[in-house]
Amino acid sequence: GESVGLHLPTLSVQEGDNSIINCAYSNSASDYFIWYKQESGKGPQFIIDIRSNMDKRQGQRVTVLLNKTVKHLSLQIAATQPGDSAVYFCAENMADYKLSFGAGTTVTVRA
Amino acid sequence: DTGVSQDPRHKITKRGQNVTFRCDPISEHNRLYWYRQTLGQGPEFLTYFQNEAQLEKSRLLSDRFSAERPKGSFSTLEIQRTEQGDSAMYLCASSSGQGARLNTEAFFGQGTRLTVV
Repeated sequence: GESVGLHLPTLSVQEGDNSIINCAYSNSASDYFIWYKQESGKGPQFIIDIRSNMDKRQGQRVTVLLNKTVKHLSLQIAATQPGDSAVYFCAENMADYKLSFGAGTTVTVRA
Repeated sequence: DTGVSQDPRHKITKRGQNVTFRCDPISEHNRLYWYRQTLGQGPEFLTYFQNEAQLEKSRLLSDRFSAERPKGSFSTLEIQRTEQGDSAMYLCASSSGQGARLNTEAFFGQGTRLTVV
């Protein structure tokens, strides 16, 4: 089975609000995580990554939080915009060079 | 455009035909990956190259699938005797790095959407 999963398959958010997308992973050996955004018909787009020696990392309008105790990852998007509507995947790297993806969360931004 | 490039973007083929896809990674990246994505699912790992060496193949990659990266630059993925179940998005990604771990970001191309009719 998959070792990376998302708590909710869909998320609807009002434009301008903050979004929080959650992801649970099961392999405690995973030490590198990436969030990707995928728009319809396109490939996954790198958003932000985090290593297991960190618990928080910030980018432009995005923050990733890692809680290794409960094996939980989240992506926070500040001031969500219509262009943020997409499917978001978390991916984990388990002690080698490949990524394991969950099924994704579809984010819809309401105007 | 200096990102990962895939060609073609779309391919419709009849069952039983052979198809070949091409991936051009980011030029300085020594690692290249192929993934497959079906509707509503996340990408699934197929195979991995470090330079020209193919270091791992997933069990998803049946004998009808073959991938090459002859000069350590571009890669091709061939599917022989296509089946309807092969219909999916085929994604290529590249990254840099050494050692046995993925420790730098992997960037994906736009994918090749295969439809087998």
